[in-house]
Amino acid sequence: AQKITQTQPGMFVQEKEAVTLDCTYDTSDPSYGLFWYKQPSSGEMIFLIYQGSYDQQNATEGRYSLNFQKARKSANLVISASQLGDSAMYFCAMREGRGGNKLVFGAGTILRVKS
Amino acid sequence: GAGVSQSPSNKVTEKGKDVELRCDPISGHTALYWYRQSLGQGLEFLIYFQGNSAPDKSGLPSDRFSAERTGGSVSTLTIQRTQQEDSAVYLCASSLDTGSYNEQFFGPGTRLTVL
Repeated sequence: AQKITQTQPGMFVQEKEAVTLDCTYDTSDPSYGLFWYKQPSSGEMIFLIYQGSYDQQNATEGRYSLNFQKARKSANLVISASQLGDSAMYFCAMREGRGGNKLVFGAGTILRVKS
Repeated sequence: GAGVSQSPSNKVTEKGKDVELRCDPISGHTALYWYRQSLGQGLEFLIYFQGNSAPDKSGLPSDRFSAERTGGSVSTLTIQRTQQEDSAVYLCASSLDTGSYNEQFFGPGTRLTVL
């Protein structure tokens, strides 16, 4: 079964607008962590934001915030005030508490910011 | 400070040859991971090291793949008798420990092409 699902293969957003990238996950482990990474065309994987399953508040890091809806098993990334440099591939990933420490990645969403 | 480094950055080899890919993690990081990213795909976990031991090798696709880590630092991923389907970007990541928040820092990757 797919553990991490990113249903949007590609997204466009106008510069300075906000955009939401979807991520749903599947786990029976009560302890898990959710991560978002950015991969620009250079290929480097850049960590953006983390949400723990027991965290009471949604994570925020600058222009990035995570809309964590535990009951729906979704962890959408919200990027506010999009910039041209935000154009990249975005991956949602999950680490399960008792499943070792590997990250399981979704297929990714390509984001293009238009000027 | 120095991040995760990988060498070579690119490797072209002929089908049937053996290749070695090297990862130098961030100093002090005890956990090390290998992932593989095929063209246009998400990341696929290969193997995880804690110190010099590998408690999770579940992602290695066949017995042609092996990895070792010495001195709790540098790791080498070896692919024997390479096949064309082995062509991918091989990414290494390291993290401080295996705690609940376990941000993995990724290297730039090795692009392997098997002709």
